[in-house]
Amino acid sequence: DTAVSQTPKYLVTQMGNDKSIKCEQNLGHDTMYWYKQDSKKFLKIMFSYNNKELIINETVPNRFSPKSPDKAHLNLHINSLELGDSAVYFCASSPRAGWDEKLFFGSGTQLSVL
Amino acid sequence: TQLLEQSPQFLSIQEGENLTVYCNSSSVFSSLQWYRQEPGEGPVLLVTVVTGGEVKKLKRLTFQFGDARKDSSLHITAAQPGDTGLYLCAGATNAGKSTFGDGTTLTVKP
Repeated sequence: DTAVSQTPKYLVTQMGNDKSIKCEQNLGHDTMYWYKQDSKKFLKIMFSYNNKELIINETVPNRFSPKSPDKAHLNLHINSLELGDSAVYFCASSPRAGWDEKLFFGSGTQLSVL
Repeated sequence: TQLLEQSPQFLSIQEGENLTVYCNSSSVFSSLQWYRQEPGEGPVLLVTVVTGGEVKKLKRLTFQFGDARKDSSLHITAAQPGDTGLYLCAGATNAGKSTFGDGTTLTVKP
């Protein structure tokens, strides 16, 4: 059983399109995240949800909108895709948010905007 | 903004050699995690260190948290090709936000 699963694995699309990435965790964790990894492998947090409530929202363009229908799911919708959005997007979960946060990552979605 | 700098950024060694990777910051963290990431996969948690000066061992890997909880090191003894990957440190604060280092890419040649 995959603990944190995200789909699709690869996403190739044209500039200006709207796309979604889905994420589900079966670990019973309270907290879920979206991270972006750039071409230099730097991982940066985008959003964090705790029990469906948004708790972290880094300076991310409004074109990015996360949605958490329940604490096991966190989806990411991106409007009007731009070339600079090309990256690998990782979903992650942790038992709880806090000082001892341990992250469990999905296998990533490689987004290529042409 | 809390920054974590890792050194070296790239490391290529022969099987059987020892190595140390460093993770440094000017900020104090409540805990620090080390992850390993392989191509096409997400990072996998290796260890969490919490107490200043703490040392944890995971087989051939030894992790240390600095006394002031601002830095950490990862030492690998007798490296094997299976250790190849991207090593990431991440510092967590009470606010529950992990800041990742810029990564160390390790290649162990047979």
